[in-house]
Amino acid sequence: GAGVSQTPSNKVTEKGKYVELRCDPISGHTALYWYRQSLGQGPEFLIYFQGTGAADDSGLPNDRFFAVRPEGSVSTLKIQRTERGDSAVYLCASSPGGSGANVLTFGAGSRLTVL
Amino acid sequence: DQQVKQNSPSLSVQEGRISILNCDYTNSMFDYFLWYKKYPAEGPTFLISISSIKDKNEDGRFTVFLNKSAKHLSLHIVPSQPGDSAVYFCAAGGLTGGGNKLTFGTGTQLKVEL
Repeated sequence: GAGVSQTPSNKVTEKGKYVELRCDPISGHTALYWYRQSLGQGPEFLIYFQGTGAADDSGLPNDRFFAVRPEGSVSTLKIQRTERGDSAVYLCASSPGGSGANVLTFGAGSRLTVL
Repeated sequence: DQQVKQNSPSLSVQEGRISILNCDYTNSMFDYFLWYKKYPAEGPTFLISISSIKDKNEDGRFTVFLNKSAKHLSLHIVPSQPGDSAVYFCAAGGLTGGGNKLTFGTGTQLKVEL
């Protein structure tokens, strides 16, 4: 696609529920990132995929958070047993990958509200 | 532990004047730096970057300066325009390890007034 697409744009759920957020990266981009942005903060790194594998998941806050990218394109961020503190904008980004400094292109984000 | 810091949460500038946004970092392993601009309800948009081997990079009205010894970078916008009003994030990355993972600052809200 022309840009990074994220769905849903808004998600309201109740505490304890399961949530999935989807990211469709720029076609041909091998690297995909998930970030989380809370109010008044900058984007905070969660996980990075190179192809199908998670190259770095050091930013996932706990084992309720999981992400997959089974075919090396679309990725899904999964949050189990949601808590009010999970409320934030979840940003996905992609880049061409490879060596050197790449510029990350971000989607518009999925705003998650946990009541 | 905030590795990238933007100490000014907001900045107000008159149209046509220079805007200077500042950023400090603590991790010596960072070797490239980027500025992103963010409008409400949109994702951050890349603006300009600089590698640690340079001390200045210019693109139109936007110039980024890097002072490695002080671990400080700044973004200059001249002349400032009302459309520049947005939140500006400084980000840093390391080419050695960690892929292209970026660490972001907390952002500076720039308001350009008529």
